[in-house]
Amino acid sequence: DAKTTQPNSMESNEEEPVHLPCNHSTISGTDYIHWYRQLPSQGPEYVIHGLTSNVNNRMASLAIAEDRKSSTLILHRATLRDAAVYYCILRPTGNQFYFGTGTSLTVIP
Amino acid sequence: ETGVTQTPRHLVMGMTNKKSLKCEQHLGHNAMYWYKQSAKKPLELMFVYNFKEQTENNSVPSRFSPECPNSSHLFLHLHTLQPEDSALYLCASSPLGTGYDNEQFFGPGTRLTVL
Repeated sequence: DAKTTQPNSMESNEEEPVHLPCNHSTISGTDYIHWYRQLPSQGPEYVIHGLTSNVNNRMASLAIAEDRKSSTLILHRATLRDAAVYYCILRPTGNQFYFGTGTSLTVIP
Repeated sequence: ETGVTQTPRHLVMGMTNKKSLKCEQHLGHNAMYWYKQSAKKPLELMFVYNFKEQTENNSVPSRFSPECPNSSHLFLHLHTLQPEDSALYLCASSPLGTGYDNEQFFGPGTRLTVL
């Protein structure tokens, strides 16, 4: 299973953009990059995913490096409800996901 | 009710008890999963079911016994557990297939404490 490396924790001020990095130097050509987040006392929820091109949705943007060995989840304006643990996951074929320890994001009012 | 539901939300049991966790999904998905989340550890995939057939068992001890009677329901039967089995047990579902864009939908989890 491919591994990802994320900082243990990050802080952001409310209403400011947040860039959450993820390194995945052993990624294979067919691995999709998924991001999930887990709010306190809840199960993880899907945020965004991509393969090679940058992706945008209503929750966030995903910027993928040209060599695909790293990616960055971008929250454009952090709110207090965005405080959560963010997981960067490489998804190989099949239905499996392998979660790492994630980045705990603190949003400061 | 929509999404993935899990019952009970909290469970305290002794090491000699037998209990079951229930998961139900109302999304029309055909794949379901059990995960274990221990304190300060990554989520661990336990079991995977595709169309009611178990396709993955990640070396889970036999004191955990899954059951998938249909595509909408998933159970985890527990017996003679150990205190180190105390954790948050999460159920998830996803559309069937080996496509790369299948997201997983998680339930809120069952917080299990083994005394």
